[in-house]
Amino acid sequence: QVQLKETGPGLVQPTQTLSITCTVSGFSLTSYYMQWVRQTPGKGLEWMGFIRSGGSTEYNSEFKSRLSISRDTSKNQVFLKMNSLKTEDTGVYYCARERFAYWGQGTLVTVSS
Amino acid sequence: DIQMTQSPSSLPASLGDRVTITCRASQDIGNYLRWFQQKPGKSPRLMIYGATNLANGVPSRFSGSRSGSDYSLTINSLESEDMAIYYCLQHNEYPPTFGAGTKLELK
Repeated sequence: QVQLKETGPGLVQPTQTLSITCTVSGFSLTSYYMQWVRQTPGKGLEWMGFIRSGGSTEYNSEFKSRLSISRDTSKNQVFLKMNSLKTEDTGVYYCARERFAYWGQGTLVTVSS
Repeated sequence: DIQMTQSPSSLPASLGDRVTITCRASQDIGNYLRWFQQKPGKSPRLMIYGATNLANGVPSRFSGSRSGSDYSLTINSLESEDMAIYYCLQHNEYPPTFGAGTKLELK
């Protein structure tokens, strides 16, 4: 059974770094791309980037300078890190498997002092 | 980036109605178009892939079609469980881009 679950900090201060973990089960990260998508009040659904089954990454240029995606295949985890957070980054962050057929439940991130 | 113009933004409808939601792509995306349903507090659910193919477990009253750069999601005989926001997504080229969403609600 394919499952994905994001865990995040909830509240992050402006200018700080966001770290979110996506833990998966029911499949191998070495067989599928893993995507990150966020949903904000201002811009709706936005694709952020992905990490390929081989480990290379691709980012939306909108975030490229401050976004990093990595993984630990032994722990079945994918990581999103984004720095220099702004209030506009407030939203729900999702991980999704390759073709968006499976999504995590999402984690709400609020950027506020 | 490819722009996906989705319409209408809001669609009041009655149970049993047939409704259609449309996305227009700013560039050629072939059939690399997906439709998602999202209910409050839930993650998006894949409904249609390849513009016209029903995803696993999706009721047959849902269908997808394409006419040139216009892509449509049609729901026949609307049921209460279909009330949600629907989004299109193009994944022909990076970055994948979503439509702004259509809120389907009871009239």
